[in-house]
Amino acid sequence: QVQLEESGPGLMQPSETLSLTCTVSGFSLTSNGVGWVRQPLGKGLVWMGTIWAGGSTNYNSAVQSRLSISRDTSKSQVFLKMNSLQPEDTGTYYCARYYYSGIFDYWGQGVMVTVSS
Amino acid sequence: AIQVTQSPTSLSASLGDRVTLTCRASQDINNKMAWYQQKPGEVPQLLIYYASTLQSGTPSRFSGSGSGTDFSFTISHLQSEDFATYYCLQGYSLFTFGSGTKLEIK
Repeated sequence: QVQLEESGPGLMQPSETLSLTCTVSGFSLTSNGVGWVRQPLGKGLVWMGTIWAGGSTNYNSAVQSRLSISRDTSKSQVFLKMNSLQPEDTGTYYCARYYYSGIFDYWGQGVMVTVSS
Repeated sequence: AIQVTQSPTSLSASLGDRVTLTCRASQDINNKMAWYQQKPGEVPQLLIYYASTLQSGTPSRFSGSGSGTDFSFTISHLQSEDFATYYCLQGYSLFTFGSGTKLEIK
């Protein structure tokens, strides 16, 4: 069955670079895209970026200058890297599978990231 | 970027009520509107996509409608497990979530 699992450090300091990994199973990264969605504590969902099945990427303009999404298809992993972290980057980060008709149908459990000195 | 305006921000309702949420996109999104349910501490769950198509497993009391820029989501007969926060998502041009509607028990 389709599964996604995020992993990465829970605590970061301001100005550091965040690195998260999304390991997927049950589908191929060359068949489906994967997106990253952030949710600040107690707030709403924000799309951050997507790596498409063909390998191209799109980012939310609000974080585009700091964000990079890549993948290793042989390991079924998608990577998020975001630099110059600030406290407002604190939140739960989800990866989710892109399905046709513009939706994310399967989501990982999320990883909580706290940015604090 | 496409903006999505979701309303209301919060809604109080009773068991058995019919409730409707709305999302308005800043431009025509070719019916690429989805609706998600999120309960505290849980992962968002896809309920409806392409404006009105129920995701497998979504109870029939949930429905979606709309076209162009205006979309609505209805729960026809509220049950206790429906009290949650609901988000719309446009997926026509990249992605934009609505700000969410928190559905609470009256």
